[in-house]
Amino acid sequence: GAGVSQTPSNKVTEKGKYVELRCDPISGHTALYWYRQSLGQGPEFLIYFQGTGAADDSGLPNDRFFAVRPEGSVSTLKIQRTERGDSAVYLCASSLNRNTEAFFGQGTRLTVV
Amino acid sequence: ELKVEQNPLFLSMQEGKNYTIYCNYSTTSDRLYWYRQDPGKSLESLFVLLSNGAVKQEGRLMASLDTKARLSTLHITAAVHDLSATYFCAGGLMNNNAGNMLTFGGGTRLMVKP
Repeated sequence: GAGVSQTPSNKVTEKGKYVELRCDPISGHTALYWYRQSLGQGPEFLIYFQGTGAADDSGLPNDRFFAVRPEGSVSTLKIQRTERGDSAVYLCASSLNRNTEAFFGQGTRLTVV
Repeated sequence: ELKVEQNPLFLSMQEGKNYTIYCNYSTTSDRLYWYRQDPGKSLESLFVLLSNGAVKQEGRLMASLDTKARLSTLHITAAVHDLSATYFCAGGLMNNNAGNMLTFGGGTRLMVKP
């Protein structure tokens, strides 16, 4: 596709459940970022991948959050034992390399009830 | 740690008026971005400012960067309703670990009234 694609666009889950959020970056982009945007706030950095490896995961809030990018393209953000405070829009962005501007997907709106 | 603050957080203005949104950041930043976000949508890149004194203009929007003052501004000229959205500034600091990771301000919600 032409842009960063995220699925699902909306996800409602019950407290305590496990969820996976998917990001398809722009083809050929080696750098991939996950951000979280709570209501009324700016996005906050979660994790950065360069290729297959997580180069910086300092933004992950706790060990319930994990992300993978096994083949250096698609990435999955995984949240275990979801809490109501995890409700937010999760944004993915990709860039050609670590030095260039990143382009954002439309986000996944996660609601934990 | 880079911190980014925007003001105002909310701006209601009449069509045809001018106004400026301010973005202050706490430490050296390699680059400064401005984004637009419409409700329920993702972030649309407006400007990337890379050096002191940089000025970029697109339509009714003009962005500038003063790295000495650690300040960027987004100036709106003769506002129209279509500019209603939330505007974010974000600072980037290149380092070996985090690539082009961005730190965002809290956003300025702009409402332009007819």
